[in-house]
Amino acid sequence: DAKTTQPPSMDCAEGRAANLPCNHSTISGNEYVYWYRQIHSQGPQYIIHGLKNNETNEMASLIITEDRKSSTLILPHATLRDTAVYYCIVILAAGNNRKLIWGLGTSLAVNP
Amino acid sequence: GAGVSQSPRYKVAKRGQDVALRCDPISGHVSLFWYQQALGQGPEFLTYFQNEAQLDKSGLPSDRFFAERPEGSVSTLKIQRTQQEDSAVYLCASSLMRQGALLQPQHFGDGTRLSIL
Repeated sequence: DAKTTQPPSMDCAEGRAANLPCNHSTISGNEYVYWYRQIHSQGPQYIIHGLKNNETNEMASLIITEDRKSSTLILPHATLRDTAVYYCIVILAAGNNRKLIWGLGTSLAVNP
Repeated sequence: GAGVSQSPRYKVAKRGQDVALRCDPISGHVSLFWYQQALGQGPEFLTYFQNEAQLDKSGLPSDRFFAERPEGSVSTLKIQRTQQEDSAVYLCASSLMRQGALLQPQHFGDGTRLSIL
């Protein structure tokens, strides 16, 4: 069972910021939040991950609330190529259980 | 640097036939995962290897599914006596992760789309 909740779909205008929310109210203290995306007919692509601090890389920013029960993935200047399904996943930071448990994700449509 | 490579990209088989799907992970990646993705769904975990050892096969749906990674690099997922419900995209991922170590991202291939007629 996926431990995250995401809206099924979102729209965003090209050039604007896309803010994708994720609820993970049952997250435990040693679980990371990971984001992947999947462009049509391709395999999933890693975007970013975090534990409790906000994170930024060349692809996106990840904002995690102080209570860690929710997070937001921010694509600062969305392009048409960012149209994809975005998955938010929580997973233990260490230990033997390495499998990713995926929900249905958010289908983001970036419109011209 | 080559990414994860999967072959064939598409496979059509008749019900009852056996199929073999190949995964070439990123060189040096210790961990290898197989996932199954039905249309419109997120991927579902099938099995996990650390080097040649299969550490978790809890996601394999039946004993018709078998995976191996004999030399700790290339992996093959075999499905015997295929059925229509086996139709899906089969994704392979590899990672630098080692047992007990902190997480590393999984890097995915583009999958094999399997259609059973």
